[in-house]
Amino acid sequence: AQSVTQLGSHVSVSEGALVLLRCNYSSSVPPYLFWYVQYPNQGLQLLLKYTTGATLVKGINGFEAEFKKSETSFHLTKPSAHMSDAAEYFCAVSVIPSGSARQLTFGSGTQLTVLP
Amino acid sequence: KAGVTQTPRYLIKTRGQQVTLSCSPISGHRSVSWYQQTPGQGLQFLFEYFSETQRNKGNFPGRFSGRQFSNSRSEMNVSTLELGDSALYLCASSSNAVNTEAFFGQGTRLTVV
Repeated sequence: AQSVTQLGSHVSVSEGALVLLRCNYSSSVPPYLFWYVQYPNQGLQLLLKYTTGATLVKGINGFEAEFKKSETSFHLTKPSAHMSDAAEYFCAVSVIPSGSARQLTFGSGTQLTVLP
Repeated sequence: KAGVTQTPRYLIKTRGQQVTLSCSPISGHRSVSWYQQTPGQGLQFLFEYFSETQRNKGNFPGRFSGRQFSNSRSEMNVSTLELGDSALYLCASSSNAVNTEAFFGQGTRLTVV
């Protein structure tokens, strides 16, 4: 079975500072990894995904993440935080067993606050 | 291209009642998954349907059920509602390609009183 751990349920950064949200996963098979963002009373919006290939993945709104197999990590970064980045961020892992059943396992989420 | 549509957006039900939530996936997507989101348990997988068949199921009691129609629209039903069923229920659709992502609807906020 797979699992996801997000270190830090709350992260605060100043506007213009580096954003770093941590995600570690556990999976017995090669995982697919995702970062989603959720604004209040909204659904989840995909920021970026890693499936295969390049380990540095670029997403929307200036976010990127690097898949590090040796560290079982998929940390999310953004060089310069903007006020509009304030939201909850979820890391998720998916494995596709035979039959292509789809199931995302989510981390507990990190609430990002951006200070003016 | 229209996104995933969930109806209704908000529901208030009384303990013991049943409720049906609806999800219309993105056109062409045949996989629909449901998730429950609560402050205490976070995001938890309920079940996934593909071509009208339940393909995968999470660890929820039998009071939670679902179905999918031939046009890929899906419904989930919760019977004998409990206060703990209050949650945001999210539907996600995806194609059947291996490396594709899930696209989420805005959710249905269910409050059980």
